[in-house]
Amino acid sequence: QKEVEQNSGPLSVPEGAIASLNCTYSDRVSQSFFWYRQYSGKSPELIMSIYSNGDKEDGRFTAQLNKASQYVSLLIRDSQPSDSATYLCAVNNNAGNMLTFGGGTRLMVKP
Amino acid sequence: DTEVTQTPKHLVMGMTNKKSLKCEQHMGHRAMYWYKQKAKKPPELMFVYSYEKLSINESVPSRFSPECPNSSLLNLHLHALQPEDSALYLCASSQPTGTGVFTGANVLTFGAGSRLTVL
Repeated sequence: QKEVEQNSGPLSVPEGAIASLNCTYSDRVSQSFFWYRQYSGKSPELIMSIYSNGDKEDGRFTAQLNKASQYVSLLIRDSQPSDSATYLCAVNNNAGNMLTFGGGTRLMVKP
Repeated sequence: DTEVTQTPKHLVMGMTNKKSLKCEQHMGHRAMYWYKQKAKKPPELMFVYSYEKLSINESVPSRFSPECPNSSLLNLHLHALQPEDSALYLCASSQPTGTGVFTGANVLTFGAGSRLTVL
């Protein structure tokens, strides 16, 4: 059973729309959650981190965490074609300096 | 530009070759990592060094040999690899977490990666 699950997509949204990316995790004691963006052939780039239940906003990005439901999401408002990438959810599983990545969701923003 | 530098960017090697991947960071981070990423798959952790000591080895075959000569450098020595080892190898660094929990002060920063092809 995968520890961190994401829909692989592709998720296709029109330019200007809200893109909603979802992630579930299995380890109830996980405390730190991250969203990385990865363009094709490039390395992952951190875009959001969240540690407490609720919403955290940073520009066009909002991360949402619900520990009771073991669910974390990323909303991208006013989606741009340059947002087209794979978005990786990563969870710190308290095993010591380790992040476990989900399989990633490929987002396509169409002009 | 990334603050974690990996060389070479591309490497092609035969199954009998010995080569090394190098990683350098000057952010004062004391934890460094090797991840392996196959196409359309997430990064998979291989090794973690904390304060220059190997703290995690995720059951990686011995044909991969990590080395951390000092707090800024991390190497991955490659020998007798198989074609299925072809992948993007990512180095990352962070501050170590005393409790094992990452916080805003010590998130992972990735290098640009070394794309390895084994013939």
